[in-house]
Amino acid sequence: NAGVMQNPRHLVRRRGQEARLRCSPMKGHSHVYWYRQLPEEGLKFMVYLQKENIIDESGMPKERFSAEFPKEGPSILRIQQVVRGDSAAYFCASSPTEGTNEKLFFGSGTQLSVL
Amino acid sequence: AQSVSQHNHHVILSEAASLELGCNYSYGGTVNLFWYVQYPGQHLQLLLKYFSGDPLVKGIKGFEAEFIKSKFSFNLRKPSVQWSDTAEYFCAVTTNRDDKIIFGKGTRLHILP
Repeated sequence: NAGVMQNPRHLVRRRGQEARLRCSPMKGHSHVYWYRQLPEEGLKFMVYLQKENIIDESGMPKERFSAEFPKEGPSILRIQQVVRGDSAAYFCASSPTEGTNEKLFFGSGTQLSVL
Repeated sequence: AQSVSQHNHHVILSEAASLELGCNYSYGGTVNLFWYVQYPGQHLQLLLKYFSGDPLVKGIKGFEAEFIKSKFSFNLRKPSVQWSDTAEYFCAVTTNRDDKIIFGKGTRLHILP
């Protein structure tokens, strides 16, 4: 089992460009969580998705950010028109079923740098 | 809203010293508590968790944590640290209200050889 795979590991964008972060959950996992880690801060919840559904997006900024988890393929976190403040490490985690946070597995993260 | 506080942002210890990292949460209902560790350049890993039962929880690599409900605390301890324990440690909580994990800001632990 390859674990939670995130790519790219590092992503550099100029202000105004779009960033797409990918997360392939562990095999058999149908729940995906996205977190953002800012310097000197902890992990902050962004969004919780199941296949084709957004369950909880209370941590997502209201503009420019979106997430999806299609029936086939990885979960995508999309940031449009990036700004310097979007620079952070973005972590994805997956779990097999709802509510079983004990089985939450994290990916290695994507470090987004906005120039 | 639920929150998690980790009081120490940076801790520096010598090898063989004893470790205690503080964690307090704010929520009056049923909680599940976690400690995660992130070694340099690696992803988060679960150290230990508390769901119910014995409030003293043993984890991997000699770590343990004690859930004290009256103090809303879940402090992480290790009697004798090693240089390889250098990492960032995150306390986290879930509640019976929803499923998302709330993390503390993390504590950076640096062990001097």
